[in-house]
Amino acid sequence: QQQVKQSPQSLIVQKGGIPIINCAYENTAFDYFPWYQQFPGKGPALLIAIRPDVSEKKEGRFTISFNKSAKQFSLHIMDSQPGDSATYFCAASTNSGGYQKVTFGTGTKLQVIP
Amino acid sequence: DAGITQSPRHKVTETGTPVTLRCHQTENHRYMYWYRQDPGHGLRLIHYSYGVKDTDKGEVSDGYSVSRSKTEDFLLTLESATSSQTSVYFCAIPADMGTGELFFGEGSRLTVL
Repeated sequence: QQQVKQSPQSLIVQKGGIPIINCAYENTAFDYFPWYQQFPGKGPALLIAIRPDVSEKKEGRFTISFNKSAKQFSLHIMDSQPGDSATYFCAASTNSGGYQKVTFGTGTKLQVIP
Repeated sequence: DAGITQSPRHKVTETGTPVTLRCHQTENHRYMYWYRQDPGHGLRLIHYSYGVKDTDKGEVSDGYSVSRSKTEDFLLTLESATSSQTSVYFCAIPADMGTGELFFGEGSRLTVL
């Protein structure tokens, strides 16, 4: 059962474009929504995160938009660069018996063409 | 960066053989996690530990066992490896207990022939 649905599976944009990755969740108990960036041969690394009481969060060129009523959130990358080429995972977490249970989306492979 | 070391980083083995992957942390964190990453599935939790000798199952625990005899080490064992266990395995520790933010190791790529 996939509790966090992520799309698209892959994405190709030109340098300077604004790739958008979308995620949707079902469990209203989720209370934290991080995004991870993963380069080939490396582990995922936290990129940016948001709580559901906030509709938007920006960190540098990365922006999360959050729609609590629709149970959807998305990652926008402004002025994308070839160095942003990576796989991006959305995630959602909730407290489960004393620890934060993290559920991941299936990932989006982004390629930014020079 | 959080101090997480995984070993081995790459392993090729045959069906039916036992395999143990090791995760070592230098952060003295109580919680440690093992995930597997597969195309089309993202990262899925196999087992986690909340202290020495305290472990629990994740969503894909069948065929795996874990042990934690010291705070710094969390071992993942495949008693009899199968081809379906070919995957990349990641160890993680919490970056922030209140949020679910995780620090991941660099991964162990396992191929079961």
